[in-house]
Amino acid sequence: DAEITQSPRHKITETGRQVTLACHQTWNHNNMFWYRQDLGHGLRLIHYSYGVQDTNKGEVSDGYSVSRSNTEDLPLTLESAASSQTSVYFCASSDSNSGGQETQYFGPGTRLLVL
Amino acid sequence: KNQVEQSPQSLIILEGKNCTLQCNYTVSPFSNLRWYKQDTGRGPVSLTIMTFSENTKSNGRYTATLDADTKQSSLHITASQLSDSASYICVVRVYNQGGKLIFGQGTELSVKP
Repeated sequence: DAEITQSPRHKITETGRQVTLACHQTWNHNNMFWYRQDLGHGLRLIHYSYGVQDTNKGEVSDGYSVSRSNTEDLPLTLESAASSQTSVYFCASSDSNSGGQETQYFGPGTRLLVL
Repeated sequence: KNQVEQSPQSLIILEGKNCTLQCNYTVSPFSNLRWYKQDTGRGPVSLTIMTFSENTKSNGRYTATLDADTKQSSLHITASQLSDSASYICVVRVYNQGGKLIFGQGTELSVKP
């Protein structure tokens, strides 16, 4: 069965360190997204990609970067982790050919704690 | 400003009872509205997607309604089960902005035996 996975599921790091969160999907979807979820906020878009070599900034992209070298993977990098980036991170993917009614399939999430 | 607001923030009901969750949005231009279910510690899972021309859509015991004129939606859960305990998130897709989704903060539903 197709799926979307994230690793690690839990991560503790220190302020200033570089951290990379992995996202891998086997749906063969062109679209991939990274969100963060914090108490008091809905999911907020960090970065997204509509295909290989394509990346775009979302509403909360400062301090984050992504790269898309193949269809299956969209790793999220925190260049220099800050305590404000403590959050739960979700990766999602969707098909690009559903006329706007595409369903986004979410991964299980990564809990990141920055000390 | 594009916003999605949900009410109530949290709700406790007894197993077997029905409940209705509300969603108001101020998103323009509107493409479609989705309801997601998010179990604790897991990613959201899609329940329904409705365009502006659809008034009602069902998925098992879940029935979503949409009034595009008043920009309101509701999610009705019938004969609740313990497994319905979760956060229910209303999401609106913005038209022609590359699939941009605006998420509500969710309603936390707890079903008690």
